[in-house]
Amino acid sequence: EAGVTQFPSHSVIEKGQTVTLRCDPISGHDNLYWYRRVMGKEIKFLLHFVKESKQDESGMPNNRFLAERTGGTYSTLKVQPAELEDSGVYFCASSHRGHRYNEQFFGPGTRLTVL
Amino acid sequence: GDSVTQMEGPVTLSEEAFLTINCTYTATGYPSLFWYVQYPGEGLQLLLKATKADDKGSNKGFEATYRKETTSFHLEKGSVQVSDSAVYFCALLQGAQKLVFGQGTRLTINP
Repeated sequence: EAGVTQFPSHSVIEKGQTVTLRCDPISGHDNLYWYRRVMGKEIKFLLHFVKESKQDESGMPNNRFLAERTGGTYSTLKVQPAELEDSGVYFCASSHRGHRYNEQFFGPGTRLTVL
Repeated sequence: GDSVTQMEGPVTLSEEAFLTINCTYTATGYPSLFWYVQYPGEGLQLLLKATKADDKGSNKGFEATYRKETTSFHLEKGSVQVSDSAVYFCALLQGAQKLVFGQGTRLTINP
């Protein structure tokens, strides 16, 4: 079974440009999460989808970030316009829906560098 | 709000040395606690977990005990190997689904 995949693995853009990150969760996982790690600090939660619905987007830093999960399969995270402080590693994770905590399986991350 | 604090790295040890990576947390109630590991070029993997006080999580020779009196979840291994070189993250579960992570500790094991 394929794990969580993310594309691209690396992205280098200039300040003011737009970047779209993609995450493909494990097949059948209803829950999808985005996290990010900035400047070697802690990994921080951004948002949580259940199927195509945003369950919790309390971690989204500002309205330059837009996450979508049309059809409840893969998800995209768009940053428009990108700023220098957006540089970091963006992780996606997925889990099977259940009544108790289910292990979140993480992808390898997308390293975003904004110049 | 909830938070996790890990010992700062990087940590460098020789093979077969004893490892301790400290982790303390601040949280409302008694959250589930986790250690995740990120090997070079890979995603985060769950290493071990504990869901209630005094539980001991263990995997691949690593252990951590949930201590509510000291709000700690220190990671230990008796004899490390070169293959244990990675970044280790302590985390707690906030609510039902949101993970709160520490800043990570980079571990390097020299042969």
